[in-house]
Amino acid sequence: AQTVTQSQPEMSVQEAETVTLSCTYDTSESDYYLFWYKQPPSRQMILVIRQEAYKQQNATENRFSVNFQKAAKSFSLKISDSQLGDAAMYFCAYGYNTDKLIFGTGTRLQVFP
Amino acid sequence: GAVVSQHPSRVICKSGTSVKIECRSLDFQATTMFWYRQFPKQSLMLMATSNEGSKATYEQGVEKDKFLINHASLTLSTLTVTSAHPEDSSFYICSARSGQTYGYTFGSGTRLTVV
Repeated sequence: AQTVTQSQPEMSVQEAETVTLSCTYDTSESDYYLFWYKQPPSRQMILVIRQEAYKQQNATENRFSVNFQKAAKSFSLKISDSQLGDAAMYFCAYGYNTDKLIFGTGTRLQVFP
Repeated sequence: GAVVSQHPSRVICKSGTSVKIECRSLDFQATTMFWYRQFPKQSLMLMATSNEGSKATYEQGVEKDKFLINHASLTLSTLTVTSAHPEDSSFYICSARSGQTYGYTFGSGTRLTVV
């Protein structure tokens, strides 16, 4: 069965600094999708970034980038130039084919001025 | 972009009554709808998956007679919590997928409080 593990319950970062959130997963599939979602206090799930497993190039969206290591089954999120608005819960998720998303337990990110 | 409208955002009901939560895809056809439950400071727990026109598939441990899901059209899915009890108080979120693109669009969630 597929699993997603986020080993950092909480992280903190100074404004303008860089922080990396970790995620590992387990699957026997070779073609799948990985996601990072942000959930602010409003609890709206916001897609931060998406990675297709068949693509070797790491996905990037402005200040957000991933380090996708397929062999190691690792999918970390790097947030550069952190802003106060980045404070939220971040969930790593795995999706295969047309199936459901499997979420990690989340990492709460605090951003200090 | 794709938008899913979820209503109500908050609802308080008395124990023993039923509550219906709606999710509508506004600008795309949602071939598959996922319903999640989230407890405070926890992750999203999938309750069930529904495909338009078919019966929902429930995750293990989720009572299908208590959480009724209807996905009768490509733009509307509903979750009805029947005979609600205080332990059903939680945050419920829907997520819709279009068969044409690999993306998941989430509703804004419903906070249910059963008193």
